Amino acid sequence: ETGVTQSPTHLIKTRGQQVTLRCSSQSGHNTVSWYQQALGQGPQFIFQYYREEENGRGNFPPRFSGLQFPNYSSELNVNALELDDSALYLCASSPGQGQNSPLHFGNGTRLTVT
Amino acid sequence: AQSVAQPEDQVNVAEGNPLTVKCTYSVSGNPYLFWYVQYPNRGLQFLLKYITGDNLVKGSYGFEAEFNKSQTSFHLKKPSALVSDSALYFCAVRDDGGSQGNLIFGKGTKLSVKP
Repeated sequence: ETGVTQSPTHLIKTRGQQVTLRCSSQSGHNTVSWYQQALGQGPQFIFQYYREEENGRGNFPPRFSGLQFPNYSSELNVNALELDDSALYLCASSPGQGQNSPLHFGNGTRLTVT
Repeated sequence: AQSVAQPEDQVNVAEGNPLTVKCTYSVSGNPYLFWYVQYPNRGLQFLLKYITGDNLVKGSYGFEAEFNKSQTSFHLKKPSALVSDSALYFCAVRDDGGSQGNLIFGKGTKLSVKP
């Protein structure tokens, strides 16, 4: 069973640039969520995708957008990067929409904005 | 609004001693509660969950957690700590009306187990 994989592991961007982060969900999982974890903080929910549609969003501006593909992999896009966007971005997958299922996390992408 | 509080930034325990990591929560509906552990430069690993049923939940690596509805708490426990348990621990909650992926996390508690 393949777990959640994220790429790249590290990324350095300049303020104002755009970035795309990628995530492959665990085998058999059709729901993907993205989280932002700032240094010293707990993860914060960005949004969730199920069957290629966004079906839940946290308190993040529209410049944070995403996609989910037919194979359930996902992308997180961030436009007009700001210094405060520097964080660990975590992708998590889960099977279906059942409330009982725990999230399975990848190791994250460390984004640094200079 | 949903929220999670982990009142201790750090917990220090000697190896072999019992450990407790505290968590309190606030939700509007019935709570779904989770504990995750994070090792340096890694993602979060699921430890255990409470959905319904017995108030004492057993999880991975010998961890357990006690759900207390009246105190709105979900403390993580282990009878005998190991040095390898040293990590960052996160409590998380969602209510029964929330989407599956939308967990509210606490700020985390750093557990340090000394030999």
